[in-house]
Amino acid sequence: DAGVTQSPTHLIKTRGQHVTLRCSPISGHKSVSWYQQVLGQGPQFIFQYYEKEERGRGNFPDRFSARQFPNYSSELNVNALLLGDSALYLCASSLAGTGNEKLFFGSGTQLSVL
Amino acid sequence: QQQVKQSPQSLIVQKGGISIINCAYENTAFDYFPWYQQFPGKGPALLIAIRPDVSEKKEGRFTISFNKSAKQFSLHIMDSQPGDSATYFCAAFIRGSTLGRLYFGRGTQLTVWP
Repeated sequence: DAGVTQSPTHLIKTRGQHVTLRCSPISGHKSVSWYQQVLGQGPQFIFQYYEKEERGRGNFPDRFSARQFPNYSSELNVNALLLGDSALYLCASSLAGTGNEKLFFGSGTQLSVL
Repeated sequence: QQQVKQSPQSLIVQKGGISIINCAYENTAFDYFPWYQQFPGKGPALLIAIRPDVSEKKEGRFTISFNKSAKQFSLHIMDSQPGDSATYFCAAFIRGSTLGRLYFGRGTQLTVWP
C-alpha cells in the first residue's frame, strides 16, 4: 500500500512568489494535516482538513491557505513568500474519528525561498 | 510557547549502550504521547506511543516510561545500534478533540558510534 505522497519533493522560489504543495493521503484516510518543519525544530501545525472542511488552524498568517478535494487529497498554498517560509512542509494523514491520533507523514516538500 | 519540552538536544551513545530522551508537558488534557523517528530527507515515522493509563510500554528495544503525576515521559533505546542514528521527536495529542493536532518537542539528534 502506498503511504502519504507529496509533490514536489523540492522547490526553489523567490520572495513574493506563490507556491502550491500537493498531498495524497493513505487510501482510506479522510483527514489531512499540514505541518511546517524549520531546520533543527519540531514540526509545527498549520492546518487540518477533514471531509473538505477546515478542522483547525495553527498560528500562521493568512498567506497560508489549504483545501481538501473530494478524493481526500489536499493542497497547501502560500502567497507572497518570505525568506522565513523556507522549511520542510509535511503532510500527514489519519483515519479521523477512531484512530485520529495516529498520524502518518509523507517525506515532505523542501521549500527554499531565495 | 512550547507545549512539549524535550531534552537533550543532541545525544551521542556508543553501540550497545542505552539512549534516553526526556520530555515534559504542562497541559493535562494531553492523553496520547507518541514518539517519532526521523531520518534525513524523510518525514517523521511513528515509533511507539503510550496513553497515560499505563506507566510503561515496551516494543522490542524501545520503551516509553510515563510519569503522570510529574507530567513527564521518556524514551529508552536499549542496545543502541548505528542504524538508530536519527532525530527523535516526542509529541502530545488530545484524543477527545475533533482537532487532530500533534504538539511536537524540538527534537533530539541521536548519534550511535560503532
